[in-house]
Amino acid sequence: QVQLVQSGAEVKKPGASVKVSCKASGYTFTSYDINWVRQATGQGLEWMGWMNPNSGNTGYAQKFQGRVTMTRNTSISTAYMELSSLRSEDTAVYYCARGRRVPQAFDIWGQGTMVTVSS
Amino acid sequence: DIQMTQSPSSLSASVGDRVTITCQASQDISNYLNWYQQKPGKAPKLLIYDASNLETGVPSRFSGSGSGTDFTFTISSLQPEDIATYYCQQYDAPDTFGGGTKVEIK
Repeated sequence: QVQLVQSGAEVKKPGASVKVSCKASGYTFTSYDINWVRQATGQGLEWMGWMNPNSGNTGYAQKFQGRVTMTRNTSISTAYMELSSLRSEDTAVYYCARGRRVPQAFDIWGQGTMVTVSS
Repeated sequence: DIQMTQSPSSLSASVGDRVTITCQASQDISNYLNWYQQKPGKAPKLLIYDASNLETGVPSRFSGSGSGTDFTFTISSLQPEDIATYYCQQYDAPDTFGGGTKVEIK
């Protein structure tokens, strides 16, 4: 079946970086964008950016420009999101989501990865 | 960026009630609006795309309407399994989400 499976929970110290993976299966990885959305505990959804796995092109929310990098390895159908200079406010569940282009929507989501930033 | 104002932030209704949630965009987004359901501890699930189209497999008690800046999401007859938080999302780049509406059973 079509699914996105994310890497496990992470605990990082302030100032460190984290890299979360998102492995796609059941569809052609390069045919759909991958988006990243995060959610702090008890808070709403926050879109971070997108990546086209075919071209590698990316687009980031202004808030994360300079701190986030989205990449992929097409040979293993896996997308990555790396966030640097972590601070406590980055503690959240990070989701990858498949971006359907027509009609546009996030139609398949990963299970989420909890990232905790704590000294 | 386009701001999405969603209301109410929470509501309590009885099983069988009609539930309505609104989402207002800070500028015209045509019909570039989706609705998602998120149950506790789970990832969001797409319910409605392009403001009024039901995603495949989603029960017909869910519906959406609107265009421009004002949008409505409706559950025609609330069921116990509909307890969740609902989010609108506009995709007139960059994407932004509404603040969410938590739906509870009275």
